[in-house]
Order: sequence, then C-alpha cells, then structure tokens
Amino acid sequence: EIVLTQSPGTLSLSPGERATLSCRASQSVSSSYLAWYQQKPGQAPRLLIYGASSRATGIPDRFSGSGSGTDFTLTISRLEPEDFAVYYCQQYGSSHRALTFGGGTKVEIK
Amino acid sequence: EVQLVESGGGLVKPGGSLRLSCAASGFTFSSYSMNWVRQAPGKGLEWVSSISSSSSYIYYADSVKGRFTISRDNAKNSLYLQMNSLRAEDTAVYYCARGTVEMAAWGQGTLVTVSS
Repeated sequence: EIVLTQSPGTLSLSPGERATLSCRASQSVSSSYLAWYQQKPGQAPRLLIYGASSRATGIPDRFSGSGSGTDFTLTISRLEPEDFAVYYCQQYGSSHRALTFGGGTKVEIK
Repeated sequence: EVQLVESGGGLVKPGGSLRLSCAASGFTFSSYSMNWVRQAPGKGLEWVSSISSSSSYIYYADSVKGRFTISRDNAKNSLYLQMNSLRAEDTAVYYCARGTVEMAAWGQGTLVTVSS
C-alpha cells in the first residue's frame, strides 16, 4: 500500500504570499493518478488538481500542481483570503484499486 | 447541476448497523464509479469503498472489509453503504463522491456516531 506524507503539517502565511505544499509517496505514483483537494471547515472537499498538474473546472490559475514519481507539489502563487484551508493529496492505486489520502496540510493566516 | 445528497446517518450503539444512502442528480449516474469517503472528527480523509458504474468491481479499505457493503441502484440514481458490526472508530462524517481516479463531485456528508 502506498503511503502519502504531506509536509508541512501547518503553513502559516499572509495573504499575497506564495504557498508550497509537498506530498511524498512511499512508492512511485503515476502522475495520472495524483490529485489535490481543498477543504474548508464544515465543508466537503473540493477537487483542485488532477493528473498531478491539471486544474479542475473553475479552479483559479493561482493553483498549480507539479511533480512526478514520489514527489509532488501544490503551489498557490498568491494567497487569497479564501485559500486558507486544509489541503489533501490523494492517489489511486491501479494495482489494488484503493484510494489513499495524505494526512493534510493546513494553510493558516499568519 | 451535479448534486450528491447523503442520508441515513445517526447515533448507533457499538455492534449495531446502519445503512447510508446517497441520492445523485444532475449527471448520468450509471456512467460513473462512486465512492464512500469518511472523516473522523478533527481528522483527515479516509477512503472507505468504491463501486464501478455497473457494480462489476467493488473495493474496500482493509478497515471496513467484511463489515461494510457498498451497492448502487442505477435505476434510482442511488448509492448505498450498509454498515454492520459498527465500532467506535467508525464514527465519522461519511461522504459519497463521484469518480474513479479522482473525485470531482462530493456530497455534504452524513454524520455517523457509534457510541453506547
């Protein structure tokens, strides 16, 4: 089973700053099978990025995803007030058909 | 507009059973794989189970295998999760979500509390 480790656990930044979130996999993950989600308190998760770097419908271009193999990154170029939330990476295991989430990174206002 | 609406959550005693439902609208339900994902209070997301569009393929997380059963009724645009032998650690908000590799649509969730 592939384990996803997200870092840092908490990121304290100010609006307008750049956020860089990391997701590291215990084994190589196909880029096609790596996604990122945003979750705000009391809300369901929202898909941001799929296929490691493709933005989902309606997602602003300040969100970008990159990476391959075992290291993936979500970048928010300039934080807006509505971007302060928890972010999760997720992979799809083509062999076991299981979905795995990382533990999450909380982006909080500094 | 894509909508997923979960129901059936509530308070249940350890060892008890509960059946969750998810009503889908705004898309061709029978064309998509569906999932259940849960989130314990204050914790992260945990995938629970997946079912393919025609119910041919079904998968479970090890934590629920043998206790939970996922099913769907494409004629009723509905997804289900039968949960038996519930434990305190099954306490969570349960979301239904659409997709195979990534999940582009989510319901608002239904809370299941397992407590005596």
